[in-house]
Amino acid sequence: GAGVSQTPSNKVTEKGKYVELRCDPISGHTALYWYRQSLGQGPEFLIYFQGTGAADDSGLPNDRFFAVRPEGSVSTLKIQRTERGDSAVYLCASSKGGSGTVEQFFGPGTRLTVL
Amino acid sequence: AQSVAQPEDQVNVAEGNPLTVKCTYSVSGNPYLFWYVQYPNRGLQFLLKYITGDNLVKGSYGFEAEFNKSQTSFHLKKPSALVSDSALYFCAVRDVRGSSGSARQLTFGSGTQLTVLP
Repeated sequence: GAGVSQTPSNKVTEKGKYVELRCDPISGHTALYWYRQSLGQGPEFLIYFQGTGAADDSGLPNDRFFAVRPEGSVSTLKIQRTERGDSAVYLCASSKGGSGTVEQFFGPGTRLTVL
Repeated sequence: AQSVAQPEDQVNVAEGNPLTVKCTYSVSGNPYLFWYVQYPNRGLQFLLKYITGDNLVKGSYGFEAEFNKSQTSFHLKKPSALVSDSALYFCAVRDVRGSSGSARQLTFGSGTQLTVLP
């Protein structure tokens, strides 16, 4: 079946602009995660959804970052007033339920470049 | 807080030789441990996990990992490396003891670039 998909694959924007990144999880996966991966680093947790609600948003760096999952499937990560330091690959993952034992399946990521 | 260390940024091994990619972890309680592989311009792919039970875990593509509680390690191994194994490998940990939503997040190491030389 289809894996996790993310659009766009690449996004170039100017400092101060607003961007939206989309994630389409594997069908039937109730848990959805956003991570950010900077060059030479491992992914860093941003936010976790169980169904429609954000169960843990402790990884969001500041209030410019926001994410939604209104129908419990597709999720959008929103970044306001982008800064050059926001440049990174944004990864989305999904899993069957929120149990700590299940593995997460990752999408290919969106590479965000803020000029 | 939970953390993962991958002490080697780069590992080189000759094709056909055994390989080891090292990982150590720190958690408050018992760990769930994962290995992922990342190929260029592709997402992370799950290789294997340790949840409980046998300390030697077998995964995809002939990889295995050994959980060592006393050394807080979870090294990735393969008996005979292939050139196609060349990729970036990440170890990740999740603390079993967490009961809130934060227990679901994975904490990743910084990655180890494996190069298998023909």
